[in-house]
Amino acid sequence: NAGVIQTPRHKVTGKGQEATLWCEPISGHSAVFWYRQTIVQGLEFLTYFRNQAPIDDSGMPKERFSAQMPNQSHSTLKIQSTQPQDSAVYLCASSLVPNTLYFGEGSRLIVV
Amino acid sequence: GQQVQQSPTSLVLQEGENAELQCNFSTSLNSMQWFYQRPGGSLISVFYNPSGTKQSGRLTSTTVIKERRSSLHISSSQITDSGTYLCAMENTEGADRLTFGKGTQLIIQP
Repeated sequence: NAGVIQTPRHKVTGKGQEATLWCEPISGHSAVFWYRQTIVQGLEFLTYFRNQAPIDDSGMPKERFSAQMPNQSHSTLKIQSTQPQDSAVYLCASSLVPNTLYFGEGSRLIVV
Repeated sequence: GQQVQQSPTSLVLQEGENAELQCNFSTSLNSMQWFYQRPGGSLISVFYNPSGTKQSGRLTSTTVIKERRSSLHISSSQITDSGTYLCAMENTEGADRLTFGKGTQLIIQP
């Protein structure tokens, strides 16, 4: 069991560029969550999928952020026209049963 | 406002001392959990504790739902306990979704 795999682990992008972050959940897990972690705001919920369907995206910034889960084995978080305030560690988690989350090691995004 | 308040924000102890971490919630909650995070590392669930007291080795968690609080007690702390401890709640409105506190940074010195 390789756990939740996130790629890239680190990404530096220029302001205005697009960034795509990938998450491979644990095989068989039906729910995938995206969170964002910064020193100032802490861990913030972004969105989650269950059985590949979007369930709750209330934490997603309305513009520039989108998430998809095209199949069971991966989810993507895309940020268009990145801004310095998007710099954060983006964490993906998966679960099979409620309240049992397994987190990946995160993708650290730095926008310069 | 912040729905989950953790205290203290940081705690420095000598090895062998006991640590007491607190979590308070401003809204009604269905359940809560404690997570552990090493610098640059992923979050690992330590306790899922919707109510009452649970113990695992040197760690004890007590949640009092009616009072909207939870605590994590680490006895005989070890250097390897150092890291950030975060509590998270599932409130009565957001099924499956967790709201996190900002964490307590625990530093255990030799």
